[in-house]
Amino acid sequence: NAGVTQTPKFRILKIGQSMTLQCTQDMNHNYMYWYRQDPGMGLKLIYYSVGAGITDKGEVPNGYNVSRSTTEDFPLRLELAAPSQTSVYFCASRRGTSYGYTFGSGTRLTVV
Amino acid sequence: EDQVTQSPEALRLQEGESSSLNCSYTVSGLRGLFWYRQDPGKGPEFLFTLYSAGEEKEKERLKATLTKKESFLHITAPKPEDSATYLCAVQAMEETSGSRLTFGEGTQLTVNP
Repeated sequence: NAGVTQTPKFRILKIGQSMTLQCTQDMNHNYMYWYRQDPGMGLKLIYYSVGAGITDKGEVPNGYNVSRSTTEDFPLRLELAAPSQTSVYFCASRRGTSYGYTFGSGTRLTVV
Repeated sequence: EDQVTQSPEALRLQEGESSSLNCSYTVSGLRGLFWYRQDPGKGPEFLFTLYSAGEEKEKERLKATLTKKESFLHITAPKPEDSATYLCAVQAMEETSGSRLTFGEGTQLTVNP
């Protein structure tokens, strides 16, 4: 059981570039989430999905987009990268709303 | 708006020196309070879920307790391998934002041998 797999682990982007952070889970979880973690700021919710074909914005969605075409995959798209998007990004999934999250190992993104 | 405040921000202990971490929360009806452990460069790892005031859960040297306003993570006779950042999160009863968790900023625990 791989759990939640995120790729890449590290990435450096130049301002204005775009990229997709990949997230895949093999636990058949319906609920999936993208968070960003900044030093001293805690984890902030970017986008979430309650099932295939259903996505919605979290607290800090600006500059990001998501899609959920399958139960397994929940990619996060960054368009026109900005230095403010330098952060560590975590994908998480859960079996249902009474369960805790299972997190991926994160993607460390630097925008220069 | 749900809020979670953790204290202290950082805590240094000697091996064997017991202590507690605090998590104060404000939520419009608590559905669950979650504790996670996060090691450097890794994703948070689930520890406990508490659902109602008075509930306690234990795992090895860790015990989590819950009141109506706060939760404590008690660490008994810690070892260096307990060094990590401990995160607290709450889930509101109301099913909004995918029943998301709201996280505190964490307590960075260092246990010296």
